[in-house]
Formats: sequence, C-alpha cells, structure tokens
Amino acid sequence: QKEVEQNSGPLSVPEGAIASLNCTYSDRVSQSFFWYRQYSGKSPELIMSIYSNGDKEDGRFTAQLNKASQYVSLLIRDSQPSDSATYLCAETGGFKTIFGAGTRLFVKA
Amino acid sequence: NAGVTQTPKFQVLKTGQSMTLQCAQDMNHNSMYWYRQDPGMGLRLIYYSASEGTTDKGEVPNGYNVSRLNKREFSLRLESAAPSQTSVYFCASSARTGISYNEQFFGPGTRLTVL
Repeated sequence: QKEVEQNSGPLSVPEGAIASLNCTYSDRVSQSFFWYRQYSGKSPELIMSIYSNGDKEDGRFTAQLNKASQYVSLLIRDSQPSDSATYLCAETGGFKTIFGAGTRLFVKA
Repeated sequence: NAGVTQTPKFQVLKTGQSMTLQCAQDMNHNSMYWYRQDPGMGLRLIYYSASEGTTDKGEVPNGYNVSRLNKREFSLRLESAAPSQTSVYFCASSARTGISYNEQFFGPGTRLTVL
C-alpha cells in the first residue's frame, strides 16, 4: 500500500520566519510530487509541483525533492499570517494520486 | 472560467436515502476524480475517470457509484446512505491522462451528513 507521511503539526512559526514542511513517501516509482494548501473549510489549492531531484522555487515557496531518500519538503520564506493553513503533500506514479493527511501551519503575527 | 463546480454545497440525509453529487469542469480536462476527506485522514480517492467513457475504483469505492456523463461532468451516487459516509466530498480534474504530472484542481466541496 502506497503511503505518504506527514507530521500533523501544528507547526508554529513567527511572522517573517522560514516554515519547513516535510513529507516522506513509500513508492519508489512515484514520479510527480505536489504541495497543496487548504484553508479551513475550503478546498485544496495546488501551490507547487516538482518532478525532478533538487529544488524548485516559485516566489516565497521552494519545493525540494530527494528521490533516493523518498523525501519531499516545502520551504516558505518570509512566512505571513495568511500562510496559516494545512499543507497537503501528494505523489503520483499513475492516474491515482496519494495524499498525506497534511501538516497544520500557524504563523504568529 | 468557473473551474470545477459542485452541487449541492451542503446536504443532510437519513440512513438509507439516496442522492447524487454533481460535478462539472470547464477546463477541458480529460481526467476527473471523487475524493472524501475525513478529519485526520487526508483525501481518499473514491472513484476516478481517466478519460470520457472510463471509470475505475479508487481506495474506498464501497457504497458509491459514478457516471462520467460527458467530458465535463462526473457524478457520484450514494444508493443507500450510511452514517459512515458522513464526510466532505471533493471533485477534482486534471488535464493529463499519462502516468506523470497529474496536477489536480478541486471543486469547493460538498458537506454531507448522514443521520
């Protein structure tokens, strides 16, 4: 059974700090990895996708992928209170996408 | 573009009642998905449709049926609702049918309570 593991949190960081969210996955053939943000009572929103080993940066967000260690992370620089949400890690090696249970992030003003 | 739309937004059913959740997308995506989300358990795939005319079971298909009516619409039916089906249901769509990428876009969700 494929699994995606995340620390449920909450992860609390002060405004302006770097928030680091981590995720491990079990399926070695996984090819694509995603980070979704979900505000309370809302639907998931795609914020980052990464397909190759290394780093991918988009604004304040950096996704990091290490396929050898089966590890994906998301860094949020200059964290803002508006970043407070649950972050879902997901992977896919086919039509089906497996989601982690999410990490709750709280950014203190 | 409206993206992915779902109806209804909220629903309360009694045990044994049936209902259909509707989903439509206007992004010309090939693939569509139904998930349920329960506290602490993340998103679990119920059924998916890789392309128009095809449907397949996901992780938790028991108690549900689906219909891919056309490329835009994908409905989820509960034939005899049970309290264990109380959940938030999300529909999603993605452009690719291949084995990689598969970025998904979600609808606003349906909050279902079964008494």
